[in-house]
Amino acid sequence: ETGVTQSPTHLIKTRGQQVTLRCSSQSGHNTVSWYQQALGQGPQFIFQYYREEENGRGNFPPRFSGLQFPNYSSELNVNALELDDSALYLCASSSGTKTNEKLFFGSGTQLSVL
Amino acid sequence: DQQVKQNSPSLSVQEGRISILNCDYTNSMFDYFLWYKKYPAEGPTFLISISSIKDKNEDGRFTVFLNKSAKHLSLHIVPSQPGDSAVYFCAAMNYGGSQGNLIFGKGTKLSVKP
Repeated sequence: ETGVTQSPTHLIKTRGQQVTLRCSSQSGHNTVSWYQQALGQGPQFIFQYYREEENGRGNFPPRFSGLQFPNYSSELNVNALELDDSALYLCASSSGTKTNEKLFFGSGTQLSVL
Repeated sequence: DQQVKQNSPSLSVQEGRISILNCDYTNSMFDYFLWYKKYPAEGPTFLISISSIKDKNEDGRFTVFLNKSAKHLSLHIVPSQPGDSAVYFCAAMNYGGSQGNLIFGKGTKLSVKP
């Protein structure tokens, strides 16, 4: 059974650029959630995708967008990067959206915006 | 405004002793709570959860206690082992919702010394 994998592991961008982060969900999982973890903070919910549709969004501006593909892998896109976007971006998958369906996290993508 | 607070950034404990990690929440709508453990360069992994209909849940060396009136929960690890050294995150949600949309605290770094 393959776990949640994220790519790339590290990325350096400059302010104003655009970035795409990728996530392959665990086998059998149809739900993907994205979190942003700034230094010294806990993960903060960005949005969730369930069966290719957005299924909830946190307090992030529209320049944070996502996609989920038919194989349930997912992308997080961030436009017009700002210095404060520097963070660890975590992807988590689950087998559904019910309360007892646990999240399985990937190791994250460390994004640095210069 | 932080809805889930972990006021101790770090905790150091001797191997074999009890580790107690604390968490407070402000939103009385939260009724399902989880603890995650995170090692460096890895994603968070689920540890234990508790619903607001209970005041205690136990899983091996890990016990979570919930005091609804005080809006406080704690994680007890007995006995503590060096492999327990990690950052522990408390998270909260509304039961009936998805675990994909969790509100996390900032975390407590536990160091267990041999």
